[in-house]
Amino acid sequence: EAAVTQSPRNKVAVTGGKVTLSCNQTNNHNNMYWYRQDTGHGLRLIHYSYGAGSTEKGDIPDGYKASRPSQENFSLILELATPSQTSVYFCASGDWTSNERLFFGHGTKLSVL
Amino acid sequence: QQKVQQSPESLSVPEGGMASLNCTSSDRNFQYFWWYRQHSGEGPKALMSIFSDGDKKEGRFTAHLNKASLHVSLHIRDSQPSDSALYFCAASEHSNNRIFFGDGTQLVVKP
Repeated sequence: EAAVTQSPRNKVAVTGGKVTLSCNQTNNHNNMYWYRQDTGHGLRLIHYSYGAGSTEKGDIPDGYKASRPSQENFSLILELATPSQTSVYFCASGDWTSNERLFFGHGTKLSVL
Repeated sequence: QQKVQQSPESLSVPEGGMASLNCTSSDRNFQYFWWYRQHSGEGPKALMSIFSDGDKKEGRFTAHLNKASLHVSLHIRDSQPSDSALYFCAASEHSNNRIFFGDGTQLVVKP
């Protein structure tokens, strides 16, 4: 099955610090997505990408940057982490070849202290 | 307005019972509908898709789509404790790569 790998699995950061969450997919999908999931909320879209070099803002992009240096890799960057960004982050890939089915990673649990 | 709305927020059924989850979209351009299931501590996994009006059955799971009313449902017969999870409905257009998720339905199957 298609694989999406996130790293790290857990991260503790300090307020004001820089955090980079990484995602790698071996599915050769054009589209990749970053979501966050908080208790009581569903999946909220932060940034997404249509291919290498492209990034698009999702529904909650403030405080986050994204980078898609290659087809396989998509990073989420928190330049100045805040406690409100404590959450579980999921990366996903998918496109028309999968009938828009998304393949998710296992998630990264981020705590900002 | 959220483009995909799910109900109920939570649902409890006895083992062996039928669970029915609902999803309503507000965009008539949506053509692809997926159901995802997320067990605690894991990422969501696609359960099944439905793109045409009518029913689609896969084992104990049946999805139903009515494009005229913009309504999608998922029915799980003979529910098992292992079906306890958070279920998401997702919808997308053909020409737009955005995928919209509902807030999910928490299903608990009690032994």
